[in-house]
Amino acid sequence: EPEVTQTPSHQVTQMGQEVILRCVPISNHLYFYWYRQILGQKVEFLVSFYNNEISEKSEIFDDQFSVERPDGSNFTLKIRSTKLEDSAMYFCASADFSSTDTQYFGPGTRLTVL
Amino acid sequence: QKEVEQNSGPLSVPEGAIASLNCTYSDRGSQSFFWYRQYSGKSPELIMSIYSNGDKEDGRFTAQLNKASQYVSLLIRDSQPSDSATYLCAVNAGNNRKLIWGLGTSLAVNP
Repeated sequence: EPEVTQTPSHQVTQMGQEVILRCVPISNHLYFYWYRQILGQKVEFLVSFYNNEISEKSEIFDDQFSVERPDGSNFTLKIRSTKLEDSAMYFCASADFSSTDTQYFGPGTRLTVL
Repeated sequence: QKEVEQNSGPLSVPEGAIASLNCTYSDRGSQSFFWYRQYSGKSPELIMSIYSNGDKEDGRFTAQLNKASQYVSLLIRDSQPSDSATYLCAVNAGNNRKLIWGLGTSLAVNP
């Protein structure tokens, strides 16, 4: 069964460093999302991406964040200058919406900013 | 601000009992509703989706939706210890179908 994959599973970085989180969505899906979950808190929407552009972004998704689909398979989230409060689980999701509203989630990347 | 609210629990039930999980949402325009299960440190896993008022059954799980009351629930029959997890309610919001999430209800099924 096709699945969303994410790498790395765990990323440790120093405050102020740049990180790139990678996702490979399900191959025929056209809608992509990033969510994050700070420990003990709700899952929060960050950004949605369709047709090679951002379709919606949350207040969290400020100028420090960017997304890219550099080729036909990868979908990346970049944080330019990490802060302590960026420490969280980051989940990528994809969907096709042709027959269902379901979003399929990857296993997540745990980002730890020291 | 669109919100989804859940009782955080913990909800503790004995093995074999029915677990009842509840969720309310604020956006009357929401059309799609989801229950996800999340184990500690893992990603959300879809349990059920529901789009119309009424009940939807899938095995031991039944989702119930009442749009007039802005209320969604999940019943788990014959609860098993492996059902112990956090159950997240999520609601589809807006044209881009982003998901708005509740905090989740922690369920413990005791053998």
